[in-house]
Amino acid sequence: EIVLTQSPVTLSLSPGERATLSCRASQSVSSYLAWYQQKPGQAPRLLIYDASNRATGIPGRFSGSGSGTDFTLSISSLEPEDFAVYYCQQRSTWPLTFGGGTKVEIK
Amino acid sequence: QVQLVQSGTEVKKPGASVKVSCTASGYTFTGHYMHWVRQAPGQGLEWMGRINPNSGGTNCAQKFQGRVTMTRDTSISTAYMELSGLTSDDTAIYYCARDPKPVAGINWFDPWGQGTLVTVSS
Repeated sequence: EIVLTQSPVTLSLSPGERATLSCRASQSVSSYLAWYQQKPGQAPRLLIYDASNRATGIPGRFSGSGSGTDFTLSISSLEPEDFAVYYCQQRSTWPLTFGGGTKVEIK
Repeated sequence: QVQLVQSGTEVKKPGASVKVSCTASGYTFTGHYMHWVRQAPGQGLEWMGRINPNSGGTNCAQKFQGRVTMTRDTSISTAYMELSGLTSDDTAIYYCARDPKPVAGINWFDPWGQGTLVTVSS
């Protein structure tokens, strides 16, 4: 099973700042990595797939990069609605697995 | 628009089974895999398995093999996930989520249902 390790666990930032979230895989997942956003009391929402492709309707301030074992989700300028928990997920190998999440909180 | 609507909250006793439904609308139900993902309280996400609504074929995480049954009723565009032998560790929100790529699937999840809380308690 591929283990995805997200860091940091919590990121405290102010609106307008840049957020950089990391996801590291225990073995290569090529570019088969996605990012999801989850707000309290809501289901997750797909943000990025195949490491760097924004899903439909996702604002341009969200971007993803990386391949192999190291991936990054960047939010260029945090909006109030961006404070949430973010999860990465790989589809390279069964079973599909998620990282433990990074909470982006208001500083 | 694509929408997934799940059944309501369940409270079960240890050893019992639970069956969660997920009714799809806004697309061809048989054209997309349906996945099941769960989230224990305050915890992360865990993939359970997927069903091909066209063929009924399933793939399941090894952790849940023998305990989870995924089925579908194409006449009402509904997928089901039944989990047996419940313990307190199965207390979680259970989500269905559509695979966005038609037919072959791509193993991303978009969109998600609203979630069904299953509480296991004696």
